[in-house]
Amino acid sequence: QKEVEQDPGPLSVPEGAIVSLNCTYSNSAFQYFMWYRQYSRKGPELLMYTYSSGNKEDGRFTAQVDKSSKYISLFIRDSQPSDSATYLCAMLMNTGFQKLVFGTGTRLLVSP
Amino acid sequence: NAGVTQTPKFQVLKTGQSMTLQCAQDMNHNSMYWYRQDPGMGLRLIYYSASEGTTDKGEVPNGYNVSRLNKREFSLRLESAAPSQTSVYFCASSEGQGWNEQYFGPGTRLTVT
Repeated sequence: QKEVEQDPGPLSVPEGAIVSLNCTYSNSAFQYFMWYRQYSRKGPELLMYTYSSGNKEDGRFTAQVDKSSKYISLFIRDSQPSDSATYLCAMLMNTGFQKLVFGTGTRLLVSP
Repeated sequence: NAGVTQTPKFQVLKTGQSMTLQCAQDMNHNSMYWYRQDPGMGLRLIYYSASEGTTDKGEVPNGYNVSRLNKREFSLRLESAAPSQTSVYFCASSEGQGWNEQYFGPGTRLTVT
């Protein structure tokens, strides 16, 4: 079983829809939770991160962590065609050197 | 400020050939990383360098070697390429230990025939 599971998609939505992207994980030692966005043929870039449980909002994006269920989510409101990309979740323990564990990524397609 | 740069962008090798992927960062970061990205597997850490002068194995180090040439540069070498090493390779850097954002380069697409 992988430490981090993520549905690869693709997830196709119309412009303006609310998008929910999710990851589950098995290692309760993870403390930092990140979402990276990766456009086609580009490197990943950090979108949001949260520490421990709770919600964090940044514009149209909300990251949510439920440590009791080992489940994290990224919500995108009023989705735009420019949001079409692959979204990777990543996690980090709070000990030792920073070695991120990534999900496989979910490909999102937002149609005009 | 170019961030993280990688060369080459594309490469085709025959089985058994060798090559070195180059990575440089201009953000004065202490830590650097090499990942490979394969369909259905996500990003997997090959090697990392926590600070200048140190390197350590990641999740999938077999068939690779690295050199932290100086604080800016971190190279990845394939001594005898195999088709299983066909992948997209990303270099990344971060300020250092603990929580620090990793900045990624644009990637190198490698095909081994």
